[in-house]
Amino acid sequence: EDKVVQSPLSLVVHEGDTVTLNCSYEVTNFRSLLWYKQEKKAPTFLFMLTSSGIEKKSGRLSSILDKKELSSILNITATQTGDSAIYLCAVAENTGTASKLTFGTGTRLQVTL
Amino acid sequence: DTGVSQNPRHKITKRGQNVTFRCDPISEHNRLYWYRQTLGQGPEFLTYFQNEAQLEKSRLLSDRFSAERPKGSFSTLEIQRTEQGDSAMYLCASSLVAGGADTQYFGPGTRLTVL
Repeated sequence: EDKVVQSPLSLVVHEGDTVTLNCSYEVTNFRSLLWYKQEKKAPTFLFMLTSSGIEKKSGRLSSILDKKELSSILNITATQTGDSAIYLCAVAENTGTASKLTFGTGTRLQVTL
Repeated sequence: DTGVSQNPRHKITKRGQNVTFRCDPISEHNRLYWYRQTLGQGPEFLTYFQNEAQLEKSRLLSDRFSAERPKGSFSTLEIQRTEQGDSAMYLCASSLVAGGADTQYFGPGTRLTVL
């Protein structure tokens, strides 16, 4: 069965800290890995990674995929209280027709003043 | 607002009742997905459509669940004879398939509470 595991499950940091969130996966036919941020509502898209070693960056957030290690990290530098959320990692499989996502349980990040 | 929209946002029902949720995807998106999310878990895939064709259904989707996308635009998810275990957030996502990869954008969800 396809599996996506995120760590840590939860994290509390002070504003200004840098955090690294981890995601590892076991899927049959990997297509892409996606990161989402979920506050109180729906997940909002952050990054999609398809190629190993290429870093995607948006402001203080960046992510990189390691297809050899079947994992990805999401880095957030100079954290702010607005970064407090659940960060979800999801993997899409390459099955020809389906693009369903398999999600991890998420990492709950709390940024305190 | 041109994002994915879902209605209603909240639904409280009694066990045994039928409920129907609606999802309006981003207008040019040809794929539409339904997921279910329970507390402390990531979303779980239920089903998806490419245009009006329902191409895959999860084993999570029992025969009490049915989804339609009659004209390839909006979609409905109906749950018949609701059970307390159906209480969850039901999320809809849409995407545009182009060049192989597609990014799914989620709506705000419908939170179902079955009493």
